Amino acid sequence: SQQGEEDPQALSIQEGENATMNCSYKTSINNLQWYRQNSGRGLVHLILIRSNEREKHSGRLRVTLDTSKKSSSLLITASRAADTASYFCATVLNAGNMLTFGGGTRLMVKP
Amino acid sequence: EPEVTQTPSHQVTQMGQEVILRCVPISNHLYFYWYRQILGQKVEFLVSFYNNEISEKSEIFDDQFSVERPDGSNFTLKIRSTKLEDSAMYFCASTRGNSPLHFGNGTRLTVT
Repeated sequence: SQQGEEDPQALSIQEGENATMNCSYKTSINNLQWYRQNSGRGLVHLILIRSNEREKHSGRLRVTLDTSKKSSSLLITASRAADTASYFCATVLNAGNMLTFGGGTRLMVKP
Repeated sequence: EPEVTQTPSHQVTQMGQEVILRCVPISNHLYFYWYRQILGQKVEFLVSFYNNEISEKSEIFDDQFSVERPDGSNFTLKIRSTKLEDSAMYFCASTRGNSPLHFGNGTRLTVT
């Protein structure tokens, strides 16, 4: 079983629309993080939400965490073509810094 | 802003050959990681390194893999005898600890 599974696997929207990506995980976590990856590049950290937090904002990003359902969502508001990328959630278990990544959502924002 | 740098960006090698992938983590970071991503698949943890020793490793990180921090700046991943299935992007990452990971841009390893 995998820790951190995103859905949808792919999402295509028009510029200006909102994009919502979901992540589910299986075990207790210390925190959950969202990363972005442009094609052929490294992963860039977007936002971290701790297990005792329910919602966090950063610019056009909003992340929620529901530990009872073991799920998180990433909302990108007013999307731009430059938001086109893959988005990954990653969990950190209650011990250590090791990230376990989900399969990612490929977001395409059409101008 | 400080960055994690990886070299080379692309490495082509023949099956059975040894490869060394190099990384320079951010200078005041203490925890170092290697991840890999097979094309189109998820990012997989290989190994974490702290205080000059491996702290965690995955099942992927078998006897063919080793890591080293030979000096105060470099962090290397060695694959002793490459297999076709080792073809992937290899990402190095570092952190001060209890903070997000900073990733390099990766080395694309192609084993032929």
